[in-house]
Amino acid sequence: TQLLEQSPQFLSIQEGENLTVYCNSSSVFSSLQWYRQEPGEGPVLLVTVVTGGEVKKLKRLTFQFGDARKDSSLHITAAQPGDTGLYLCAGADTGNQFYFGTGTSLTVIP
Amino acid sequence: KAGVTQTPRYLIKTRGQQVTLSCSPISGHRSVSWYQQTPGQGLQFLFEYFSETQRNKGNFPGRFSGRQFSNSRSEMNVSTLELGDSALYLCASSLGGSSYEQYFGPGTRLTVT
Repeated sequence: TQLLEQSPQFLSIQEGENLTVYCNSSSVFSSLQWYRQEPGEGPVLLVTVVTGGEVKKLKRLTFQFGDARKDSSLHITAAQPGDTGLYLCAGADTGNQFYFGTGTSLTVIP
Repeated sequence: KAGVTQTPRYLIKTRGQQVTLSCSPISGHRSVSWYQQTPGQGLQFLFEYFSETQRNKGNFPGRFSGRQFSNSRSEMNVSTLELGDSALYLCASSLGGSSYEQYFGPGTRLTVT
């Protein structure tokens, strides 16, 4: 079983603060995705990273794939209440099977 | 382009019954994957279908089965329901092949009493 550990598990911050979520594994992945999920809904794809060391920016969100393609991070600058949700990372193996992380529940307080 | 749709959205069943959930992928997507999400276990992979064939399977008992039709629509069946089967069941579609991106439906909330 390829496990993806996310940290922290829970995060509660004030609007305007910065934060980083980590996604770590001992396995190498072909690609890694980040999703955000709101209660009662399915996860929504935010970004896909494929190349080791790759950095992608999506407005205030910055995603990085580790050089060895085993870990990733999500950094949010100046968090807003609309960023509240469950953040999930998912790694794909060479057979295109996806393994999801344990999730980080983020609450941004106005 | 319409997103992934799942029916029904909510379902209440009694222990021992069986249930069938349906998923319609994004037009043109040939791969459909099913996941079970619970507060304790998170998102767990059930199986993936590509062009009507099961391509990958997670670590779930044989009570969980699925199939995919020629139009890429997929169904998931759970027989002899147990209380622990209560969960949000999510379907995700992708182009398949070397595509790494999955798009999820809103899920079916199954409650077993």
